[in-house]
Amino acid sequence: GAVVSQHPSRVICKSGTSVKIECRSLDFQATTMFWYRQFPKKSLMLMATSNEGSKATYEQGVEKDKFLINHASLTLSTLTVTSAHPEDSSFYICSARDSREGGNEQFFGPGTRLTVL
Amino acid sequence: QKEVEQNSGPLSVPEGAIASLNCTYSDRVSQSFFWYRQYSGKSPELIMSIYSNGDKEDGRFTAQLNKASQYVSLLIRDSQPSDSATYLCAVNERGSNYKLTFGKGTLLTVNP
Repeated sequence: GAVVSQHPSRVICKSGTSVKIECRSLDFQATTMFWYRQFPKKSLMLMATSNEGSKATYEQGVEKDKFLINHASLTLSTLTVTSAHPEDSSFYICSARDSREGGNEQFFGPGTRLTVL
Repeated sequence: QKEVEQNSGPLSVPEGAIASLNCTYSDRVSQSFFWYRQYSGKSPELIMSIYSNGDKEDGRFTAQLNKASQYVSLLIRDSQPSDSATYLCAVNERGSNYKLTFGKGTLLTVNP
């Protein structure tokens, strides 16, 4: 399968600061990447769809000014949590769509655990 | 509202048995179907994808798709304790910009 990395894997920050999370497709180009968050023992929640070279599409209820997404290249998407607060503490996971061979498979990064103090 | 339904479990099977995981979906125009495995505290890992009716086998895993019944299943043969995880069914609708709709997952426990 395709490989997706995320950095950092874990981050602790103070309330009010901004945190940037990177998502990279390592062995394929991904025109579409996705950002999810997951609270403990809860389902994955899609936050936004990130398309290379265009603005991200946010799901209903997700604040686009708080969760800034940039997909500047075919292998990199970033999520910036601005003015983070304790309620933003969660497990953030990206995925990338591998369209080689005409498929639709999405491969997930290992996730970033964010703790806001 | 597109829905993907799974039994939450827990589903408990003895080591060496066949584990059967089921999923139904509400949207008839769904095109692609996926099974992911998620260990506690980790991100989902793709196990199988299936796009057409019938069976698809990969090692100990077999995915089965029946579009007429809007049903997709995953069979795990010779279950191992390392298979203990939450299994997520995901469905993609053509034209949805490739978004996946996930079920809530079935927790599988394989007892040694």
